[in-house]
Amino acid sequence: DAGITQSPRHKVTETGTPVTLRCHQTENHRYMYWYRQDPGHGLRLIHYSYGVKDTDKGEVSDGYSVSRSKTEDFLLTLESATSSQTSVYFCAISESRASGIGNEQFFGPGTRLTVL
Amino acid sequence: AQSVAQPEDQVNVAEGNPLTVKCTYSVSGNPYLFWYVQYPNRGLQFLLKYITGDNLVKGSYGFEAEFNKSQTSFHLKKPSALVSDSALYFCAVIDRGSTLGRLYFGRGTQLTVWP
Repeated sequence: DAGITQSPRHKVTETGTPVTLRCHQTENHRYMYWYRQDPGHGLRLIHYSYGVKDTDKGEVSDGYSVSRSKTEDFLLTLESATSSQTSVYFCAISESRASGIGNEQFFGPGTRLTVL
Repeated sequence: AQSVAQPEDQVNVAEGNPLTVKCTYSVSGNPYLFWYVQYPNRGLQFLLKYITGDNLVKGSYGFEAEFNKSQTSFHLKKPSALVSDSALYFCAVIDRGSTLGRLYFGRGTQLTVWP
């Protein structure tokens, strides 16, 4: 999985609790992404980062926030988890923005989050 | 707006037969196109990409894909399927002119190869 780790790999939490997921990379890639995967929806972009402290929203960002204080770490926070946020979350990295020179994204192993 | 369609939720083929997983796309400019594969409980793995040049792109594990601009398609193919090819396949597109560089994914096609 291309030098990308995600923690935790599995988490069960209750509605209303805060949750933070961590993505760590050893590739020194500039771009990092958080996706969620749900049946029938494929992967949907939550947030992405194009550098330390530089982040932006994706298509399903409501209820999520992110932070990137170091190149290697990208955190995804659910401030107050809801059942609709039960999903599998994937982190991805790329060397540059894909539209620049067509660089592919590399994905981490995923975190399965269940919100009861 | 960018979008990707994978018209088949499931594709079933017998081992040794050729397989095709279909993908059509919509972008406002010229596309970069990608195929990824996901095995159970794993992240997505990159298979191949079309950037420019030859419309037939060869990738990992014997897969190839053909870019057809007039039909806005990028179908994934393999001449002889293996049971181990059974997995979830995603097509993705990005608009070359996009300043954000966002990938748009299809919903995925579950490929099952039976012995």
